[in-house]
Amino acid sequence: DAGVIQSPRHEVTEMGQEVTLRCKPISGHNSLFWYRQTMMRGLELLIYFNNNVPIDDSGMPEDRFSAKMPNASFSTLKIQPSEPRDSAVYFCASSFKSPGNTIYFGEGSWLTVV
Amino acid sequence: GDSVTQMEGPVTLSEEAFLTINCTYTATGYPSLFWYVQYPGEGLQLLLKATKADDKGSNKGFEATYRKETTSFHLEKGSVQVSDSAVYFCALSPTGNQFYFGTGTSLTVIP
Repeated sequence: DAGVIQSPRHEVTEMGQEVTLRCKPISGHNSLFWYRQTMMRGLELLIYFNNNVPIDDSGMPEDRFSAKMPNASFSTLKIQPSEPRDSAVYFCASSFKSPGNTIYFGEGSWLTVV
Repeated sequence: GDSVTQMEGPVTLSEEAFLTINCTYTATGYPSLFWYVQYPGEGLQLLLKATKADDKGSNKGFEATYRKETTSFHLEKGSVQVSDSAVYFCALSPTGNQFYFGTGTSLTVIP
């Protein structure tokens, strides 16, 4: 079974540009998570969805960040406009909501904003 | 609220040394506990897990025991290899919906 698939794997963009990160969760999973990882702040939960509905977006840094999940097999994280401090690795992860179940991570999208 | 606290790194060990990475947790109820490993340039991968008190999770020579009396889930390996060099994350999930991760512990194993 394919794991969590993220694209792009690497992106370099100029400050002010819009960035869209994409995620395909594992088929059958009903929870999807977006994380950001930096050296300074470690792994931070940005938002998570359950059955395509955003449940907790308290980790979204500011209005420049938005996330959508239009269906069970696709989610996007958008940054508009991007800033250098947004440079990080963004991970998408999915799980099936049930006690004891595991969360599975994608390979990450490595974003550099110059 | 629910959280995990893991020992700060970095940890540097010689090959074949014994490894312990401490993890303690705070949670209401009976959470599931996990150890994840992240190799350079990759995402986090499940290493092992335990879902109830006194369970022992094990994988690739690593093991951890769910200790409710001490609220701990320490990761151990009897003899580390260079290929074990990675960042290790302790995590808990109270309900299978939310997951709380520690700050990660970097391990470097030198030949």
